[in-house]
Parts: sequence; structure tokens; C-alpha cells
Amino acid sequence: SSELTQDPAVSVALGQTVRITCQGDSLRSYYPSWYQQKPGQAPVLVIYGKNNRPSGIPDRFSGSSSGKTALLTITGAQAEDEGDYYCKSRDSSGNHLKFGGGTKLTVL
Amino acid sequence: EVQLVESGGGLVQPGGSLRLSCAASGFTFTNYAMSWVRQAPGKGLEWVAGITASGGSTSYADSVKGRFTISRDSSKNTLYLQMNSLRAEDTALYYCAKDMEWLVSFDLWGQGTLVTVSS
Repeated sequence: SSELTQDPAVSVALGQTVRITCQGDSLRSYYPSWYQQKPGQAPVLVIYGKNNRPSGIPDRFSGSSSGKTALLTITGAQAEDEGDYYCKSRDSSGNHLKFGGGTKLTVL
Repeated sequence: EVQLVESGGGLVQPGGSLRLSCAASGFTFTNYAMSWVRQAPGKGLEWVAGITASGGSTSYADSVKGRFTISRDSSKNTLYLQMNSLRAEDTALYYCAKDMEWLVSFDLWGQGTLVTVSS
């Protein structure tokens, strides 16, 4: 399957660690990218490649991948981390891109 | 300022056509692949189409292949999406995005332009 599967919603207590999961067969071959989207705003890249953060992204964001599962980890979640998170990767053909369905993160 | 600005969205009838534009500034446009991504109201992100830095190769999602055409004009630093045979399900906010490498990671996004397909 070329689909990427994410849990629809996750919650975390302020200051705690949360892991957002992305699953798909193509993740055995390709690293995902992770995007954060807040209401009414364009998505923002937070993690790409093996575990790379663009300039300006806090180091509490990290990524990992094993087999068909990729994780976005937020260590010490802050209120401003609330939003929707999407993983993205090439599909199994390598010629197209797919987004996961998105995970809505709530910081309690 | 490094930015992408989309335009060309609007209301169109089913079966109609529309051309979206994305003006790039603040970076060397010809060095980067580009893509279009859309988001239906209240829904998730969907990759639509991509084009290499040279414009020599393109790729499309199955949902739009044969109806949409992505292109770029390096003299104008502009990305385009020609959309034909539009359907109600094409209604979405359309974003253009700068790719770090071909089909890798989108490190710059525009604010989007809204396309509504309705009679």
C-alpha cells in the first residue's frame, strides 16, 4: 500500500513528551518529512530526512524511523505546539508523494 | 524577502478551467523543484503535482492526472497549475511549495489560493 496512516488525535500534558506515529510500507525506503499546521495558516516543515530540523524549529522536535513506522517526538511539549501534524513521504513507486491523514495534537 | 504568493483562485463551474500562479521571490527559483498541494475545507493535505528545477520532469497525483498541468516560467520566477475539467471534489485551498530536492521536503509554502467548483 502507498498510504500513510496516522492517529487522528493525540493529547499531551504541558511539558511532557509526546510521540506522533506515521505508518506505511514506503517508509521502509524513504524518510518522511513532518509538517505542523496551525488553524488558518500554511503548513511549516519541522523535521526532514533522518532527523533534521530547519532553521528556527526548536530542538524539542525530533524524528526517527524504523521499518514501516516513523515517529515525530516532541520532548517537553509547549502550548504553542498545538496544531495538526502531517507526515509526508514518497509512495512505493518513488515517483509520487503522499501525506498522512494528519494528527491533531492537543496540549493540556 | 523569501516568499511564495499564489493567485488565480476563484469560483468556477464543474467542467470549467482555471489557471493558478505562484510568484516566487527571495531565492534562486531555477535551483529548486516546486509542487502544488491542496487542502479541501476541513480536510488534510493532498499533494497534487510536482515539477523539477529545470522543468524537464513532472509528476501528478492519480486524482488529477490528465486534467491538471504543472509548469514553470524561469523568466518570471512563476509556477503555474492549469486545471481543466474541474470537479466539485477539486474544491480546496491550493498551496505552492518549494522543494529542498525533488520530491523530498517542502521548506517554504505560500498562503494559498482558494478554488471553489460549484454550479
